[in-house]
Amino acid sequence: DSGVTQTPKHLITATGQRVTLRCSPRSGDLSVYWYQQSLDQGLQFLIQYYNGEERAKGNILERFSAQQFPDLHSELNLSSLELGDSALYFCASSPVGGSGNTIYFGEGSWLTVV
Amino acid sequence: GESVGLHLPTLSVQEGDNSIINCAYSNSASDYFIWYKQESGKGPQFIIDIRSNMDKRQGQRVTVLLNKTVKHLSLQIAATQPGDSAVYFCAESHFGNEKLTFGTGTRLTIIP
Repeated sequence: DSGVTQTPKHLITATGQRVTLRCSPRSGDLSVYWYQQSLDQGLQFLIQYYNGEERAKGNILERFSAQQFPDLHSELNLSSLELGDSALYFCASSPVGGSGNTIYFGEGSWLTVV
Repeated sequence: GESVGLHLPTLSVQEGDNSIINCAYSNSASDYFIWYKQESGKGPQFIIDIRSNMDKRQGQRVTVLLNKTVKHLSLQIAATQPGDSAVYFCAESHFGNEKLTFGTGTRLTIIP
């Protein structure tokens, strides 16, 4: 158990809908990262928050947004969902800035868009 | 753009044998490399890392080799066990930079 908690574990929704994925980082970790894992794209970095502020942005679509709350949990909002958004979404956390070995991943949220 | 790729998508190894998983990277500015293990239904788990000022680093049953000349990274797992069956990813970044760029993964299967 990495200490990073993600909910829901599985989610099935229809195209055009909006979903919210939730992440609780490890106790004391200030940085939260979101990654998308799909069969054809592998693990793709989406976005990082540090202590409530956006720190780095990757290949995140405009239809997607995220935020980190004062209690450090984070949410990833996916809207106007398309079939291609079906993927495993991982949250990860690290104490400050990650350097690989300090980044801990949750077990992911499986999103299926039908 | 930067990319990290894997030579082989699948690898089958007899239990007890050693395995070698390879990875190529294209960003010559990368100075930090990590191997992750992902078991079915779980998130990536850190295995071992190496900085670009090193060419070899050893852990428990694992060794990472870095060849900066040809931009190649490998993970050696000694005396493989059934629990080693998983997908292995290499990832690269600049040390201190939070963004990790992952390779596509190699599925390692240990044959009993």
